[in-house]
Amino acid sequence: GAGVSQSPSNKVTEKGKDVELRCDPISGHTALYWYRQSLGQGLEFLIYFQGNSAPDKSGLPSDRFSAERTGGSVSTLTIQRTQQEDSAVYLCASSLAAGVGQPQHFGDGTRLSIL
Amino acid sequence: GNSVTQMEGPVTLSEEAFLTINCTYTATGYPSLFWYVQYPGEGLQLLLKATKADDKGSNKGFEATYRKETTSFHLEKGSVQVSDSAVYFCALSWITGGGNKLTFGTGTQLKVEL
Repeated sequence: GAGVSQSPSNKVTEKGKDVELRCDPISGHTALYWYRQSLGQGLEFLIYFQGNSAPDKSGLPSDRFSAERTGGSVSTLTIQRTQQEDSAVYLCASSLAAGVGQPQHFGDGTRLSIL
Repeated sequence: GNSVTQMEGPVTLSEEAFLTINCTYTATGYPSLFWYVQYPGEGLQLLLKATKADDKGSNKGFEATYRKETTSFHLEKGSVQVSDSAVYFCALSWITGGGNKLTFGTGTQLKVEL
């Protein structure tokens, strides 16, 4: 079946511009997570959605970062006024529920480059 | 807070050699433990998991045992192949208000040569 889909796969933009990254989770998965993978920081948690609500936003690095999820499905991560330190691969994952040991299924990521 | 420490790479082995990648963790309570693998040019894939002490996760010839007494989850494979070349990430998850979010180690690159 279809896995987690992320778009775009690559995004190059100028410093100061806003960007939107999209995640389409596996159908029926209620839990959705965003992570960031960068050379200096490794893999970091950003935000967690259960349905359309976000009980944990503790990983968002600044108020320039926001995310929403609609219809319990697609999620969008928005970065405003991008900075060079935002350059990274942004990964989305979904799981059937947020229970013990539930595996997360990852998309291929969006590689974001800020010039 | 929770953290995962894994051995630095790259690890270079000859085909059919024995593989061990060490992973230790710090966590309160009883986290679930995972190994994820990232093949060149691909996304993260779950390799195996264990949810309680003494559980052994296994998949594709890889094994790891959840050792609470040593807070470890070392990855092993008896005979590696060139196709196992990838980056391996150890991770833990803990049920909180943040759902089941994963805390990852820094990753260990494995290179297997003929």
